[in-house]
Amino acid sequence: GAVVSQHPSRVICKSGTSVKIECRSLDFQATTMFWYRQFPKKSLMLMATSNEGSKATYEQGVEKDKFLINHASLTLSTLTVTSAHPEDSSFYICSASLEETQYFGPGTRLLVL
Amino acid sequence: SQKIEQNSEALNIQEGKTATLTCNYTNYSPAYLQWYRQDPGRGPVFLLLIRENEKEKRKERLKVTFDTTLKQSLFHITASQPADSATYLCALEYGNNRLAFGKGNQVVVIP
Repeated sequence: GAVVSQHPSRVICKSGTSVKIECRSLDFQATTMFWYRQFPKKSLMLMATSNEGSKATYEQGVEKDKFLINHASLTLSTLTVTSAHPEDSSFYICSASLEETQYFGPGTRLLVL
Repeated sequence: SQKIEQNSEALNIQEGKTATLTCNYTNYSPAYLQWYRQDPGRGPVFLLLIRENEKEKRKERLKVTFDTTLKQSLFHITASQPADSATYLCALEYGNNRLAFGKGNQVVVIP
């Protein structure tokens, strides 16, 4: 139980394009989902909290216009990296909250050329 | 400033022995603390949650302790197996169910 999927698993894009990443909770409903990024050998950094039916809450230093989050249903949240640049290349991971526990997706590796 | 510290050096341990990992934190008052396992290129997998009013939690071969006075959690893997080789992450709740993660501690179980 408590399975979370992400799509795509890997994406390569050109600088200036936008990329959408989907996060789905497959066997439970999640009113709250979270988006993280992780650089090699670094800890997961929380980017934003995604709440179903309301605006996302961004952590300090995260550009909300750069990283658009939509939580349209209790099982789906999307992260769109707009006008991507090479410095946005990273491992993006989502989680879905079930009570106090967060269940993570497998991650999306983004490479911006 | 807020810090979560896990040992940056990998822990190499013989199969069958107990692996013990430490998570120390400063300037946090977490309502609960969680431990996750992460394999290379994958998302973290939830292992255990321990609340601030709990001293110890067990699940199969795993044991977690939580000392809010020392601001420390210990994570134990008993009877370690090569399949336990991974990076283990400590995560602290810091409000609205948000988690702050340590960098993780790699464990290598030698057959």
